[in-house]
Amino acid sequence: DAGITQSPRHKVTETGTPVTLRCHQTENHRYMYWYRQDPGHGLRLIHYSYGVKDTDKGEVSDGYSVSRSKTEDFLLTLESATSSQTSVYFCAISEGRETQYFGPGTRLLVL
Amino acid sequence: QKEVEQNSGPLSVPEGAIASLNCTYSDRGSQSFFWYRQYSGKSPELIMFIYSNGDKEDGRFTAQLNKASQYVSLLIRDSQPSDSATYLCAVSYGQNFVFGPGTRLSVLP
Repeated sequence: DAGITQSPRHKVTETGTPVTLRCHQTENHRYMYWYRQDPGHGLRLIHYSYGVKDTDKGEVSDGYSVSRSKTEDFLLTLESATSSQTSVYFCAISEGRETQYFGPGTRLLVL
Repeated sequence: QKEVEQNSGPLSVPEGAIASLNCTYSDRGSQSFFWYRQYSGKSPELIMFIYSNGDKEDGRFTAQLNKASQYVSLLIRDSQPSDSATYLCAVSYGQNFVFGPGTRLSVLP
């Protein structure tokens, strides 16, 4: 994950507050993804982007929005955080149909 | 709903043995198949990918794909304690990836 950073790495917030997670890449890859990982569920796709300002929903998109105004940055916003959104969030990048490379993850706790 | 299934484990093997990890997928339109390793508290890292039916070898790892049976496996030869991790199977459909829940492998010294 040398070319991918996520910030913050850890966050504790309260129910009802907005939260924004940032993913930054230096690889100039076209595709960027946000996943959440929970015990027993594996990695589930929240949203993905296939270019600047081009995004689409994944399997578990309710309660989340994304934006990509630059190739290198992909933001995930929890509009009003709930306890069910407590999770580990991973950003990933890819180019073409090749494999995805993952960032280090963000641990989010919603109280 | 595209699904990828794996036994959650834990799968325990003695050091030096062959570990066999299995994965099935539901959609015949799947294009590419991946195995990731994830250590506790870390992000997934790619081990291998395979596109065509048959076997693909990389060092101690062999991926096997059978599209007719919708089945992917990963063999780890000469298993080491450092191989102890959760192994994620992933399947791609165009630019989307679907992951299985992972199999926890424990290699006993």
